Amino acid sequence: NAGVTQTPKFRILKIGQSMTLQCAQDMNHNYMYWYRQDPGMGLKLIYYSVGAGITDKGEVPNGYNVSRSTTEDFPLRLELAAPSQTSVYFCASRPDRAAQPQHFGDGTRLSIL
Amino acid sequence: AQKVTQAQTEISVVEKEDVTLDCVYETRDTTYYLFWYKQPPSGELVFLIRRNSFDEQNEISGRYSWNFQKSTSSFNFTITASQVVDSAVYFCALSEDANAGKSTFGDGTTLTVKP
Repeated sequence: NAGVTQTPKFRILKIGQSMTLQCAQDMNHNYMYWYRQDPGMGLKLIYYSVGAGITDKGEVPNGYNVSRSTTEDFPLRLELAAPSQTSVYFCASRPDRAAQPQHFGDGTRLSIL
Repeated sequence: AQKVTQAQTEISVVEKEDVTLDCVYETRDTTYYLFWYKQPPSGELVFLIRRNSFDEQNEISGRYSWNFQKSTSSFNFTITASQVVDSAVYFCALSEDANAGKSTFGDGTTLTVKP
């Protein structure tokens, strides 16, 4: 029972490079979320999806893009990496809108140098 | 807009002491859900407890207890007889039915339990 799987676990990027953070869940959850966690701070919502083909911006979407072609996968794309995007990124899913707790992946630690 | 405030940034206690983590929230929705998550030093996020806005019954589960008071918009979490393994960052979170289930997290309280 894998739950929410994020890859990679760690990555170092140079300024201006692009990359995709992968997130997959095997629980058939409709709702998926991407958060970033800066040092000493809580989680800030980047993007979320309520089902395949439907995505929307969260609190801090600038510099990121997402897609949701399947229920299982919700990749996060960084197009032109900037030092301000150095953070730990968490993907999460939940089975319905608000009543259930979110299931989190183990996170991706990303450094932009 | 929803907001979660955890005023305690860091708390340090000695093992076996009781400790209460405070959480104050703001919401305009009448149906909402409150959560506590634990983030140990290994970094993963672990769900601890959920409370519905229409259920103010407080609960005790082992060494953990929760105090939900709608009148003061607070959802406090107490660890009784703390242990070193309780050392972690604890996050309070709020989700609203009317907001596509998005959660707002507090900035977290770092709890250090010393032996």
